Amino acid sequence: DVKVTQSSRYLVKRTGEKVFLECVQDMDHENMFWYRQDPGLGLRLIYFSYDVKMKEKGDIPEGYSVSREKKERFSLILESASTNQTSMYLCASSYPSGTATDTQYFGPGTRLTVL
Amino acid sequence: AQSVTQPDIHITVSEGASLELRCNYSYGATPYLFWYVQSPGQGLQLLLKYFSGDTLVQGIKGFEAEFKRSQSSFNLRKPSVHWSDAAEYFCAVADRKTSYDKVIFGPGTSLSVIP
Repeated sequence: DVKVTQSSRYLVKRTGEKVFLECVQDMDHENMFWYRQDPGLGLRLIYFSYDVKMKEKGDIPEGYSVSREKKERFSLILESASTNQTSMYLCASSYPSGTATDTQYFGPGTRLTVL
Repeated sequence: AQSVTQPDIHITVSEGASLELRCNYSYGATPYLFWYVQSPGQGLQLLLKYFSGDTLVQGIKGFEAEFKRSQSSFNLRKPSVHWSDAAEYFCAVADRKTSYDKVIFGPGTSLSVIP
């Protein structure tokens, strides 16, 4: 089974702190994604990466950056956390079959609270 | 731009009753369509997907969905709901013309099941 793990299930940080959210997948997937999930808004794509050291902005990249130094690991960074970044963060990965039919496999999520 | 709407924010059904969750999309051509389920405390799991062929798609856990081009809909159905089906359900569409990695999620429908 594909396994996507996220470093923390719950995280509480203070405004202005630098926050790292880590995601690891064990299926040698090329693609990895970071989403933000808010009630009534569904999932919104923050960033995705289709290869090591490659990244693309999603729909809401402002206030976030990412790092992918190794194929299995994709990190989301909040340079200076703000209260409006309080949310559930979901990581996903997929193997690119060359079509948009790729199934994305999700981690359990990290619920981040910024005080 | 493509978008996905799920008209029902929350639905409650009795165990054993039938279920239909509505999904409408906005897209210029035939999109790739997905249904994901998120059980409490879990990441999202793919239920089924449609990209061509038979418009009635079978998925896991006894779910099916029907693509209706004339109505721009991709409704999810199950003939008899089990208590374990209580979860959040997300419809999603992928853009076939641009980045195949970009999947747009709907806002979700929360399903409660009464014993």
